[in-house]
Amino acid sequence: AQRVTQPEKLLSVFKGAPVELKCNYSYSGSPELFWYVQYSRQRLQLLLRHISRESIKGFTADLNKGETSFHLKKPFAQEEDSAMYYCALNAGGTSYGKLTFGQGTILTVHP
Amino acid sequence: DAMVIQNPRYQVTQFGKPVTLSCSQTLNHNVMYWYQQKSSQAPKLLFHYYDKDFNNEADTPDNFQSRRPNTSFCFLDIRSPGLGDAAMYLCATSRGESGYNEQFFGPGTRLTVL
Repeated sequence: AQRVTQPEKLLSVFKGAPVELKCNYSYSGSPELFWYVQYSRQRLQLLLRHISRESIKGFTADLNKGETSFHLKKPFAQEEDSAMYYCALNAGGTSYGKLTFGQGTILTVHP
Repeated sequence: DAMVIQNPRYQVTQFGKPVTLSCSQTLNHNVMYWYQQKSSQAPKLLFHYYDKDFNNEADTPDNFQSRRPNTSFCFLDIRSPGLGDAAMYLCATSRGESGYNEQFFGPGTRLTVL
């Protein structure tokens, strides 16, 4: 069975500091990984997906199959990045997504 | 704007009294999902529909049922809510095509069981 682990429940940084939100997964097949974000009083929304290999709002994430990780990184955190971040895995097997979420990390960026 | 709408945003029910939560979408997506999210926990998939095909997760209690009368609407029925069913219920949709697995979420309905 698939599993997603986000070891940090809370993460605090100062504005301008680098930030890394950790995500590890376990899945025997070829996974599809996502980062979802939930800002205060807003709905859960997609931040980025590994297959796109894009940078969104300055965030990037690289899938490391050897380490089974998909850490989210940003070189210079901003106050508006404060939110709940979920790493999620689509175990495939279907043509559409059934997501398994990690427990989430609350990121707080202090001024 | 195309979106996923959930009503009501807050629902209070009594122990054992059936309750229905509703979700609608203007995205014309094939797949609709229901998640349960308890306090400080990750969203947990309960079931989903691909068009009219219902797919239940193995560990979803029988107390939870769902209906999808058409593409736009999907309902979550809790037949006899217990105190442990108090949670945020999230509806989500996706296109249902390979390579388009992004899910679009509604704002959620927070269920309180008295």
